[in-house]
Amino acid sequence: EADIYQTPRYLVIGTGKKITLECSQTMGHDKMYWYQQDPGMELHLIHYSYGVNSTEKGDLSSESTVSRIRTEHFPLTLESARPSHTSQYLCASRLEGSEAFFGQGTRLTVV
Amino acid sequence: GDSVTQMEGPVTLSEEAFLTINCTYTATGYPSLFWYVQYPGEGLQLLLKATKADDKGSNKGFEATYRKETTSFHLEKGSVQVSDSAVYFCALRRTGFQKLVFGTGTRLLVSP
Repeated sequence: EADIYQTPRYLVIGTGKKITLECSQTMGHDKMYWYQQDPGMELHLIHYSYGVNSTEKGDLSSESTVSRIRTEHFPLTLESARPSHTSQYLCASRLEGSEAFFGQGTRLTVV
Repeated sequence: GDSVTQMEGPVTLSEEAFLTINCTYTATGYPSLFWYVQYPGEGLQLLLKATKADDKGSNKGFEATYRKETTSFHLEKGSVQVSDSAVYFCALRRTGFQKLVFGTGTRLLVSP
């Protein structure tokens, strides 16, 4: 079983609020990823990290930001949430040469 | 660029029916290929993988063979169960590259 955790699982928040989605893994993986999954199921890579102090934007432009101060922790922040940010957010991690392990996801609803 | 194409769903089957979900890919070189499964309300779980041509990945009765000549990695299961109802994603990752490229997902619905 994968040791990658996302909190919260579900979040309903008002427009304009600042939110942070947490992602932690205890496997010592150097590479971590954030995906946004739309209601049609398609996955879009929004951020990734190769290691501590390394972050890159993914294929889909996102107003969110990420940080990687510790190997095990890769939080995603929205400074001012909007209804268009309503989605499921999935975090993943992997080691070089291995498959990716996913967290259970955070379902975000902005009202 | 790299891409993965999956058959559109939903795929609706009765229990014990044979399952095929088609997946083809476009990529330079020899990518690793994966099938992930997503159960309702959950994240993705690796179902099986293959890292070179003619490799067969298998798990929980599911199989897929890496066919370089047809650039395909079709998922099959001989007898599906209601508990197999989920969304299935085909994906690839090129050697030396860090990003997974996913297909759009195929929803499988199995009825008793």
